[in-house]
Amino acid sequence: RKEVEQDPGPFNVPEGATVAFNCTYSNSASQSFFWYRQDCRKEPKLLMSVYSSGNEDGRFTAQLNRASQYISLLIRDSKLSDSATYLCVVMHYMGKLQFGAGTQVVVTP
Amino acid sequence: NAGVMQNPRHLVRRRGQEARLRCSPMKGHSHVYWYRQLPEEGLKFMVYLQKENIIDESGMPKERFSAEFPKEGPSILRIQQVVRGDSAAYFCASSPATGLQETQYFGPGTRLLVL
Repeated sequence: RKEVEQDPGPFNVPEGATVAFNCTYSNSASQSFFWYRQDCRKEPKLLMSVYSSGNEDGRFTAQLNRASQYISLLIRDSKLSDSATYLCVVMHYMGKLQFGAGTQVVVTP
Repeated sequence: NAGVMQNPRHLVRRRGQEARLRCSPMKGHSHVYWYRQLPEEGLKFMVYLQKENIIDESGMPKERFSAEFPKEGPSILRIQQVVRGDSAAYFCASSPATGLQETQYFGPGTRLLVL
């Protein structure tokens, strides 16, 4: 079983719509959680950290459920520029990041 | 403030040759991480270094791969006697410290192609 699992998609989303997807992680000792985005297999860029209480950054909302060991990302009012691969990332000790394989989102006009 | 720099951006090697990948962390960052992304896969942790020390190399293949981060100069990931399976994107990330909420900033990556 992979340590971080994501639905690869693609999620085809009309512009202006809302899209949500999850990832699950297997290590219950994981401490920190992030969403990164990756465009065309360029370098990953931090989208947002994920906190236990849930957090929002503009059109993006992230949730963490420690009991069920999953993390979610919701994108409201999707823009064409949101088309990317979204990487679920879990941090272990010493700052070692564990990446999911990514969920592809395609926003269409 | 320049970001994380990696060079070369693209590297072509024939089987059996050596590949040297360089990473200069962001100014003020003393922690460097190397990750590898195989085609159609996610990024996989390889090694974590601080200046002159390897802290965690649990993700490094046991043979042919080595990494260093000298007191002066960039971090180097060295792959000896490359094979086709080494073809991948190699990303370096840096952070100012290690901690549960420290952001790692990624360089543009080196795309290695082994012929």
